[in-house]
Amino acid sequence: EAQVTQNPRYLITVTGKKLTVTCSQNMNHEYMSWYRQDPGLGLRQIYYSMNVEVTDKGDVPEGYKVSRKEKRNFPLILESPSPNQTSLYFCASSHSYEQYFGPGTRLTVT
Amino acid sequence: DQQVKQNSPSLSVQEGRISILNCDYTNSMFDYFLWYKKYPAEGPTFLISISSIKDKNEDGRFTVFLNKSAKHLSLHIVPSQPGDSAVYFCAASEADRGSTLGRLYFGRGTQLTVWP
Repeated sequence: EAQVTQNPRYLITVTGKKLTVTCSQNMNHEYMSWYRQDPGLGLRQIYYSMNVEVTDKGDVPEGYKVSRKEKRNFPLILESPSPNQTSLYFCASSHSYEQYFGPGTRLTVT
Repeated sequence: DQQVKQNSPSLSVQEGRISILNCDYTNSMFDYFLWYKKYPAEGPTFLISISSIKDKNEDGRFTVFLNKSAKHLSLHIVPSQPGDSAVYFCAASEADRGSTLGRLYFGRGTQLTVWP
């Protein structure tokens, strides 16, 4: 089954404790992206990658890092999480205009 | 500044009637437009799209209209069903260097509620 998977689905952590949210796709897509969804703000892009080793900032990259060492994986790294990074995070992948989204990761930073 | 705007955060429609969701954009370089549907606790799913060379695209109960001169698109759902109740996101893309890969810019979404 073609899909985008994210782990974990839910995470509660404390300020400053480094964490990684994994994203994997099995569709051999070149393009991958991370978004955060906040009430009243819609989907905002954090980082995106056009291919392996090619990443670029989206609209809200501050406080996040990404890497694209393999085509199928695109982890999101929060080196020192803060409460304002409490949000719902989505990973997406595509080979054209249409993007396929993962199920989401709900992150709470206390 | 937001390049894709959905000015109505919510819309309530009776079952069987038409739902019209609106979207405006500011970037004249956008060449492809999409609508996504999102249920709670799920990721957004693609619904329908339209290229800038067209002014209408239809898929079953869903039709998207594009007015390039007004930089406006709309999604029509006819007839509306209770299962259509979800958040609808409008998105636009500017192809990167001639490729079909490109960033998607999303609006803030419209919560559609279809009541019996």
